[in-house]
Amino acid sequence: DGGITQSPKYLFRKEGQNVTLSCEQNLNHDAMYWYRQDPGQGLRLIYYSQIVNDFQKGDIAEGYSVSREKKESFPLTVTSAQKNPTAFYLCASMAGGSRMNTEAFFGQGTRLTVV
Amino acid sequence: GEDVEQSLFLSVREGDSSVINCTYTDSSSTYLYWYKQEPGAGLQLLTYIFSNMDMKQDQRLTVLLNKKDKHLSLRIADTQTGDSAIYFCAERYSSNTGKLIFGQGTTLQVKP
Repeated sequence: DGGITQSPKYLFRKEGQNVTLSCEQNLNHDAMYWYRQDPGQGLRLIYYSQIVNDFQKGDIAEGYSVSREKKESFPLTVTSAQKNPTAFYLCASMAGGSRMNTEAFFGQGTRLTVV
Repeated sequence: GEDVEQSLFLSVREGDSSVINCTYTDSSSTYLYWYKQEPGAGLQLLTYIFSNMDMKQDQRLTVLLNKKDKHLSLRIADTQTGDSAIYFCAERYSSNTGKLIFGQGTTLQVKP
């Protein structure tokens, strides 16, 4: 079945560590997005990519990094520079950012906790 | 600036109608969306409305858009306990990035 898969579902990070969250899609979508969700704050955009080998910062990119070497993969690294990384992270994909009548498909999320 | 506002909580009895409200600030928004999130899960698209429409109905769901007041609402008829979830409204701009701006989410509690 086509879809978007995030792994792991739960992730624990020690202070000072970098961790990488995986996002894979087999929908042949051009655009992919990373959002962060905190209680009572909705979703905020971290990074997005509209095409392979290109990506842009979203509203809260500090302390995060991404790569887009393959169309189907958009991993997010939470670096030690991110001071408050505990949150629920959601990855999404869309057929094409410039096409207006398209739906964003979301993964099931990764809950990251700093221990 | 870009901003989407929702009330945080709504409680209804099973069988009643639920109305979840949302306000947005960007008059150039093209599409407005309603997503549903169940505990510990991702977001599921419920419905969307194009900015030149006033109303859209899809089975138990009715979306109303008041462009003058920049107000969007989602009505769920005959609310069931399975409708208990967080509901997000989101707006998409006329830009070509596909970027969505989300509200804070409204937690809908359905009492039996």
